[in-house]
Amino acid sequence: DAKTTQPPSMDCAEGRAANLPCNHSTISGNEYVYWYRQIHSQGPQYIIHGLKNNETNEMASLIITEDRKSSTLILPHATLRDTAVYYCIVRALIKAAGNKLTFGGGTRVLVKP
Amino acid sequence: NAGVTQTPKFRILKIGQSMTLQCTQDMNHNYMYWYRQDPGMGLKLIYYSVGAGITDKGEVPNGYNVSRSTTEDFPLRLELAAPSQTSVYFCASRSSVAAAQETQYFGPGTRLLVL
Repeated sequence: DAKTTQPPSMDCAEGRAANLPCNHSTISGNEYVYWYRQIHSQGPQYIIHGLKNNETNEMASLIITEDRKSSTLILPHATLRDTAVYYCIVRALIKAAGNKLTFGGGTRVLVKP
Repeated sequence: NAGVTQTPKFRILKIGQSMTLQCTQDMNHNYMYWYRQDPGMGLKLIYYSVGAGITDKGEVPNGYNVSRSTTEDFPLRLELAAPSQTSVYFCASRSSVAAAQETQYFGPGTRLLVL
């Protein structure tokens, strides 16, 4: 799996958009970008994933650069409940087996009133 | 669906004691995983299973054992608890269907303190 680099922390104002960057300059052609988050004392929660096109769901938007070497997770209207550690993970979509997730340090996001 | 459930939520063990962490999922997922998360750190894979009767080691399997007799259940066994096993343990599952939505669903975790 390609390595990812994220800022260790960032603050965001409640109601504003939160833009979380992730660098993955060694990403391979068959590797997807996944985002999970972990709210304090809870298990990780899937947010979104994509290959090369921008993606949007009810939780967030994912913008992937054309060269796929970086991406940005956008929380359009951050709420206090979005305070969490956000993990950017790059991995191939392998059908079989021990397709474990490798969680790095993530970005600790604090949404302030 | 309850999703992935784990019991107990919290446990204190003495060094050398044994215990089983329970994990159950009701989504008919073939793949199940056990992770541990130490304070301020990311998750590390302990064991995983691709189906009933099949298990394999992850990154940090020493000191643990697993079994998978049914699709729903994937218990994690600690035989001789050590202080280094103080951690939060997360169980996860995912479908084996080769769809784009290849996501893992996590349980709420079990906090274990070994003294």
